[in-house]
Amino acid sequence: EPEVTQTPSHQVTQMGQEVILRCVPISNHLYFYWYRQILGQKVEFLVSFYNNEISEKSEIFDDQFSVERPDGSNFTLKIRSTKLEDSAMYFCASSRGLAGGSRETQYFGPGTRLLVL
Amino acid sequence: DAKTTQPNSMESNEEEPVHLPCNHSTISGTDYIHWYRQLPSQGPEYVIHGLTSNVNNRMASLAIAEDRKSSTLILHRATLRDAAVYYCILRDSMEYGNKLVFGSGTILRVKS
Repeated sequence: EPEVTQTPSHQVTQMGQEVILRCVPISNHLYFYWYRQILGQKVEFLVSFYNNEISEKSEIFDDQFSVERPDGSNFTLKIRSTKLEDSAMYFCASSRGLAGGSRETQYFGPGTRLLVL
Repeated sequence: DAKTTQPNSMESNEEEPVHLPCNHSTISGTDYIHWYRQLPSQGPEYVIHGLTSNVNNRMASLAIAEDRKSSTLILHRATLRDAAVYYCILRDSMEYGNKLVFGSGTILRVKS
């Protein structure tokens, strides 16, 4: 069964450093997403991406965040200058992107645990 | 997104059925009811969805009230591997690629 993969599984970085989190969505999916979950808190939406552009972003997704689909398979989240409060689990997800019911099911990757020191 | 209300936690014995309730009194006619779950230290995982009729799949059953203002996720025989946070989420069937809005969900504990 196809699945979303993410690398690395864990990342430790110093405050102020740039990090890039990588995701390989399911191959025939058209919509891609990033969510994050701070330890003990809810899963929060960051951004959705379709047709090589951002389709929606949350208030969390400020200028220090960016997303890119550099080739036909990868989808990346870049945090330009990490802060302590960016420490969280980051989940990538993808969906087929057709309206209605199961065609909108989102498939999540296992996550990248980011720790900012 | 329309809001849902779920109990904070529930407990079940292994091998017994579990009924996880969800209230969504402001549901619109085009909203599908989706259930996701999140096992410890993993990403959310799709469980089941429905619009009006009850639904079954290999993971669970979804019972939807006739007025659609509530639904119940049914795990027919809970196992220790079903211990997770279960989220009830409404999705507008007329929208493309819209985000999932996660609430706090129901923490399901399964006792052996």
